[in-house]
Amino acid sequence: AAGVIQSPRHLIKEKRETATLKCYPIPRHDTVYWYQQGPGQDPQFLISFYEKMQSDKGSIPDRFSAQQFSDYHSELNMSSLELGDSALYFCASSLANSATNEKLFFGSGTQLSVL
Amino acid sequence: AQTVTQSQPEMSVQEAETVTLSCTYDTSESDYYLFWYKQPPSRQMILVIRQEAYKQQNATENRFSVNFQKAAKSFSLKISDSQLGDAAMYFCAYRLLGTDKLIFGTGTRLQVFP
Repeated sequence: AAGVIQSPRHLIKEKRETATLKCYPIPRHDTVYWYQQGPGQDPQFLISFYEKMQSDKGSIPDRFSAQQFSDYHSELNMSSLELGDSALYFCASSLANSATNEKLFFGSGTQLSVL
Repeated sequence: AQTVTQSQPEMSVQEAETVTLSCTYDTSESDYYLFWYKQPPSRQMILVIRQEAYKQQNATENRFSVNFQKAAKSFSLKISDSQLGDAAMYFCAYRLLGTDKLIFGTGTRLQVFP
């Protein structure tokens, strides 16, 4: 079965650069979530989208923005990168209005390293 | 604010034995979901089991079962017949009904010895 696809798997950037992370949800899934997991930390919710509209917002810095496109894929844009942004960024997807809409399926993550 | 606490940073178990991972949470809400996620060395988050708070019956998925005590706000995970492939970081998580945010605990690293 198709899973959540994230690209790239690894990304190395320098301070003050920008980065774009992409997420392709499971086919027919209409909700996308972004999480950030720092080294040795638990994942922290950043933001979510349902049907291309922002659904919920967590601890996402103002330097970050995200959107969901008409094909339901999502992109997380990160500007003015800081050393503290180094983390594993997870995308997850789910199907709203389903009997199991609370089941999130996670991608393998994008490991961002800021030097 | 809701919080999730996992008081066991590390646990170990012998292969084929049973182990229980603890999780407590704090919420004033009555409708929510609870989850256990597994994160192996590959770092992908894999759903192990989920529990709807309105259900009194404990969820079970093959060798994995939970002990959900709503009044005590406790949600422990029992792994029976432990296998080497069960070695991973296990996260307990809470999600309030009607919201998107999963709140994770700090995780328990499980080691399985042959």
